[in-house]
Amino acid sequence: QQQVKQSPQSLIVQKGGISIINCAYENTAFDYFPWYQQFPGKGPALLIAIRPDVSEKKEGRFTISFNKSAKQFSLHIMDSQPGDSATYFCAGEETSGSRLTFGEGTQLTVNP
Amino acid sequence: DTGVSQNPRHKITKRGQNVTFRCDPISEHNRLYWYRQTLGQGPEFLTYFQNEAQLEKSRLLSDRFSAERPKGSFSTLEIQRTEQGDSAMYLCASSLGYWYTFGSGTRLTVV
Repeated sequence: QQQVKQSPQSLIVQKGGISIINCAYENTAFDYFPWYQQFPGKGPALLIAIRPDVSEKKEGRFTISFNKSAKQFSLHIMDSQPGDSATYFCAGEETSGSRLTFGEGTQLTVNP
Repeated sequence: DTGVSQNPRHKITKRGQNVTFRCDPISEHNRLYWYRQTLGQGPEFLTYFQNEAQLEKSRLLSDRFSAERPKGSFSTLEIQRTEQGDSAMYLCASSLGYWYTFGSGTRLTVV
C-alpha cells in the first residue's frame, strides 16, 4: 500500500524560478511530515518538516504548505538555484522515532 | 562524531554469497534504522532498534535478512544467500526524537 504519493516525478525549473512538489498521504496517524533532499551517492538529508497543527512553515527559501483536510502537503522552493538540483522526498511519520514512509521522489533540475 | 558512518560504501557479490554491512550511528542517538532504496524510488523501511532492542521489522525483511545491534551501539545487517533482487542501496539512519540523520549508504550489487 502506497501511503504517500508524490508528484511530479521530475521537474525542470529555470534559475530564479519557483519549484513546487506535491504530496498526498493516506495514513491519518501521521503526525510529522518531513522533506528530504538527496544528492547522488549520498543519503537523504532533512530539509524542512511540519506538524499537522500548522498550515505553513518557512525556512529561508523553503516553504511547506499543509492542508490537513485534503491530506496534502507541498514543498515550495523560491528563487531556485542550480545547487538545488537533487532528488526530493516527502515522508510521513506516525510518532516520534518511528518509521518514515517516503514518497517516490521528485528529481529537480534547475537550469542556470 | 561527524554523523552516521556506513561500511563498506560499495559491495559486489556473487549470487548465493552472504554479505554483512556495518552502521555506526551518532553516539547520542538511541534509535537506529535500516532502509533499502532502489533506483528511482524512495527509501523503504526494513527495521529499527531502540538501544539494543529490535522494535519493528518490515515484511520486506525476509528470513535471509538479519540485523543486530549489540550493546546498543553499532549495528550490522546481514543478507544470506544473496539474490539479484537484493541489489540496492542500504541506508542506515539514527535519530533522537523526530530528527533523523542518514548515512551515505552501502550500495550492494549482486551479480
